[in-house]
Amino acid sequence: DAGVIQSPRHEVTEMGQEVTLRCKPISGHDYLFWYRQTMMRGLELLIYFNNNVPIDDSGMPEDRFSAKMPNASFSTLKIQPSEPRDSAVYFCASSFNPIYGYTFGSGTRLTVV
Amino acid sequence: DQQVKQNSPSLSVQEGRISILNCDYTNSMFDYFLWYKKYPAEGPTFLISISSIKDKNEDGRFTVFLNKSAKHLSLHIVPSQPGDSAVYFCAAASGNTPLVFGKGTRLSVIA
Repeated sequence: DAGVIQSPRHEVTEMGQEVTLRCKPISGHDYLFWYRQTMMRGLELLIYFNNNVPIDDSGMPEDRFSAKMPNASFSTLKIQPSEPRDSAVYFCASSFNPIYGYTFGSGTRLTVV
Repeated sequence: DQQVKQNSPSLSVQEGRISILNCDYTNSMFDYFLWYKKYPAEGPTFLISISSIKDKNEDGRFTVFLNKSAKHLSLHIVPSQPGDSAVYFCAAASGNTPLVFGKGTRLSVIA
């Protein structure tokens, strides 16, 4: 298995533009998580899905952020419009049982200028 | 209101010596604890875990200690090697709830 695959690896965009981050979880993993890493806040959970259904999106910072999981092998995190404070590394992770830990993707480094 | 705290942002240790990374938590419902290791430009990878029914778990050079009364856990690396230089995240969970991570500690092992 190729692991959790995220794209793009790097994204530089101008303030106000729409940004879409993509994730392909490990086959058979029923849980998918989106985390954001910043120096100030560390790794913070944005949203997670179980069997493609959003379970908890309380970590999504604002209405500008949205996430979807249309099927078991694909998820997107969208920011519209993007702002400089959204600059961070965004990680996707998947798991068959959260208590046994997650497998993380390599992350997307987002820079909003 | 961080539930998982890693109060040392960085730590430097000489090669061959012991590295001790600390983590405190506030939520007494947490019953499972994990350590993740992260290299630059990569995602965090699972290192070692411990459940609340134990006070110690060992895997090769890595040992995690849990002190439930103090709500404290630590990761010991003995002996430390240059390849251990990375950011270490402490994480905790209860039941099937998502992992809550600390801010991480950057370990530098100096040859």
